[in-house]
Amino acid sequence: QSVLTQPPSVSAAPRQNVTISCSGSSSNIENNYVFWYQQLPGTAPKLLIYDNNKRPSEIPDRFSGSKSGTSATLAISGLQTGDEADYYCATWDSSLSAGVFGGGTKLTVL
Amino acid sequence: QVELVESGGRVVQPGGSLRLSCTASGFTFNTHGMHWVRQAPGKGLEWVAAISFDGGDEYYGDPVKGRLTISRDNSRNSLFLQMSSLRPEDAAVYYCAKDFTAFPGRGLIDYWGLGTRVTVSA
Repeated sequence: QSVLTQPPSVSAAPRQNVTISCSGSSSNIENNYVFWYQQLPGTAPKLLIYDNNKRPSEIPDRFSGSKSGTSATLAISGLQTGDEADYYCATWDSSLSAGVFGGGTKLTVL
Repeated sequence: QVELVESGGRVVQPGGSLRLSCTASGFTFNTHGMHWVRQAPGKGLEWVAAISFDGGDEYYGDPVKGRLTISRDNSRNSLFLQMSSLRPEDAAVYYCAKDFTAFPGRGLIDYWGLGTRVTVSA
């Protein structure tokens, strides 16, 4: 059972938009930065979003992040087949003094 | 560019020990915290442990406390994970990862290695 809760899967058609939610608590999401990682099949994870809503320079602006209270959201617009991957939210938990990940969300582009 | 190269993964018997290594390049190693994250076959990412820039602070996930020990050698740009009393549930790909900041908890991971596989089996 993960500390952060994500839906196991989401799906949408190419060129559509999708959101992935990440639910936590006051000891993690509410008081710490949220990060999102993309893991393409058979590869290592890659940073997608940091500090709740910032993108590394190489990440297209189709990817965006937001946070409100104890929840965070990853939004992907203009879906492409290459976006099919597992997406993980993560943050630090101040009570546990540990990093925590969501269980991951598998994105299928139909 | 940042590069993290893990090594040391192999097949080990339950109850056995293993030491994973990670060699870092492309950034100033002694100014960044470091992490180990694992992924069991077909499962999600699980945070394992982290260490501050100078090795002065260590953090562990509950499943590994008392059995796994994170350490670093800044003179060799290297991160280590000493694993003991290994269990079948420790079998996973272990990723070495770089923290944004000097202290885990103020940031999190910005770069990942490719991983090294640990198999725990008799």
